[in-house]
Amino acid sequence: NAGVTQTPKFRILKIGQSMTLQCTQDMNHNYMYWYRQDPGMGLKLIYYSVGAGITDKGEVPNGYNVSRSTTEDFPLRLELAAPSQTSVYFCASSSPGHDYEQYFGPGTRLTVT
Amino acid sequence: AQSVTQPDIHITVSEGASLELRCNYSYGATPYLFWYVQSPGQGLQLLLKYFSGDTLVQGIKGFEAEFKRSQSSFNLRKPSVHWSDAAEYFCAVGPSGGYNKLIFGAGTRLAVHP
Repeated sequence: NAGVTQTPKFRILKIGQSMTLQCTQDMNHNYMYWYRQDPGMGLKLIYYSVGAGITDKGEVPNGYNVSRSTTEDFPLRLELAAPSQTSVYFCASSSPGHDYEQYFGPGTRLTVT
Repeated sequence: AQSVTQPDIHITVSEGASLELRCNYSYGATPYLFWYVQSPGQGLQLLLKYFSGDTLVQGIKGFEAEFKRSQSSFNLRKPSVHWSDAAEYFCAVGPSGGYNKLIFGAGTRLAVHP
């Protein structure tokens, strides 16, 4: 089991560019999440998905989009990147009945300049 | 409102010393509580979790945490810290709004002096 994998590990974007952060899990989890982590702020939920074709906004969704066409994949799209989106992004997954535990990927460090 | 507070942003301890990281929560019902650790450049790894039963929970790497309902606390402890414990530690509470969503604290960064 690879668990939750994320690509790329690092990326530098120019203001106004767009990119997709990839997330894949091989645990057949229904629920998937995208967080951003900023120093001193903990993790903030951007978007989440409860199954293929079903997504919903979290706490900080502005400037991001998601899709979930399969159980395994949950990509996060940044359109028109802004310096405020400089952060570390984590993808996580979870399954109903597993005591609410979330499993995390290794993260993507994104810098927008 | 549901929330998690980790009062200590940074903590420095000497190797071999004991450790206690504080976590206070606000939650309307009996919470599920978690401690995650994030080593430098890594994702979050679950250390331990509490959802019912014995209020003293044992986790991996020699960590334990105690749930105190009267104090709304879930403090993490380790009797003797190793240099490899230097990391950031996050307390989390859930579920929040369904679908296994969690609320995370701001984190405590632990430094270990040799």
